[in-house]
Amino acid sequence: LAKTTQPISMDSYEGQEVNITCSHNNIATNDYITWYQQFPSQGPRFIIQGYKTKVTNEVASLFIPADRKSSTLSLPRVSLSDTAVYYCLVGDVGSARQLTFGSGTQLTVLP
Amino acid sequence: ETGVTQSPTHLIKTRGQQVTLRCSSQSGHNTVSWYQQALGQGPQFIFQYYREEENGRGNFPPRFSGLQFPNYSSELNVNALELDDSALYLCASSSTEVHSPLHFGNGTRLTVT
Repeated sequence: LAKTTQPISMDSYEGQEVNITCSHNNIATNDYITWYQQFPSQGPRFIIQGYKTKVTNEVASLFIPADRKSSTLSLPRVSLSDTAVYYCLVGDVGSARQLTFGSGTQLTVLP
Repeated sequence: ETGVTQSPTHLIKTRGQQVTLRCSSQSGHNTVSWYQQALGQGPQFIFQYYREEENGRGNFPPRFSGLQFPNYSSELNVNALELDDSALYLCASSSTEVHSPLHFGNGTRLTVT
């Protein structure tokens, strides 16, 4: 199982771009990288998923280098409502392999 | 599109009792997974169900069991509750499309006293 390592916490200010990096040195060939956001007392919410290079959607970008041993979630122009825990997840849901969540990164956006 | 719904939202049980938690998967999703999330930690995989059968299990004892029904809804049963079972129990559904992400419900907060 691919283990992930993320910073425990990060602080940012409203309007700034935030980059959260996740290390996953033993990622398998079939593994995808998925990021989730979680607010207190709620379930994790899917943000973005990718396999290699760059993926962008309406809320975030995901940068994955060629060796795929790390990935960076980029949140443009954060607001106070982006304060949450962000999880990097490596695995393949379709294969029934268990997905391992790390402890996540607590992002705090300050006014 | 209906999302993942879980019931009840909160539950208090006594050590040694049994509990059943319920989950309705998102429409169009046929795979259900259950996770346990202790306070301050990431979710831990309990098991996954597909076509009414368990097809993946994490490091949880047999007193954690589940069911999936023909309509893809699911139950998590925990017997002989222990104090350490107090946690947020999350249900997630997904489709069998390749690399389909998990869609989570908001969980059931179980407190064992």
